[in-house]
Amino acid sequence: ILNVEQSPQSLHVQEGDSTNFTCSFPSSNFYALHWYRWETAKSPEALFVMTLNGDEKKKGRISATLNTKEGYSYLYIKGSQPEDSATYLCASLTDYKLSFGAGTTVTVRA
Amino acid sequence: NAGVMQNPRHLVRRRGQEARLRCSPMKGHSHVYWYRQLPEEGLKFMVYLQKENIIDESGMPKERFSAEFPKEGPSILRIQQVVRGDSAAYFCASSREQGADGNTIYFGEGSWLTVV
Repeated sequence: ILNVEQSPQSLHVQEGDSTNFTCSFPSSNFYALHWYRWETAKSPEALFVMTLNGDEKKKGRISATLNTKEGYSYLYIKGSQPEDSATYLCASLTDYKLSFGAGTTVTVRA
Repeated sequence: NAGVMQNPRHLVRRRGQEARLRCSPMKGHSHVYWYRQLPEEGLKFMVYLQKENIIDESGMPKERFSAEFPKEGPSILRIQQVVRGDSAAYFCASSREQGADGNTIYFGEGSWLTVV
């Protein structure tokens, strides 16, 4: 993998359902994997910074896992709520530069 | 504790004019980064600065673009003789330490430049 890739590009979730999506990144020269939550016209909100293989982080109903050997991270949203609607960005940090994926846009339907 | 502050939020410039975008990092942060989001594209790294030093400007266009982070005052991204292709959202970010080993990098709300 040469670039940071996120899939799917977008998804729709029914309120109360859980969902997850993927970030793939180059595993060479890896320093850290950052997740951000981004709403239109706001600043990207830092969710997690993950560095170690096997890392799991949790913030409320949102959690993330990291596999540095195979170069992927999953972000999970449990019991989705309308306020979870946003674009979720992952970024791989190498040499202090963040390389961003295109994002997964989540829309939670009431 | 105020976050990363950027101004102006929106800026309109005519072709050939200069654009200056300002960024005040979070309190206690000495590392500043500028990213650009062109229409229909993702965030792309431009430059990384510490106080009075440019550490990495590999993402900056070679001409017309410059950045500084003086000892006192905000970081400034300067675009001379703007062209329509410079229209984009410019995001500033800051961190307490260099962005390795798990330090969070915080973003501002962005400055939207429109060149007419």
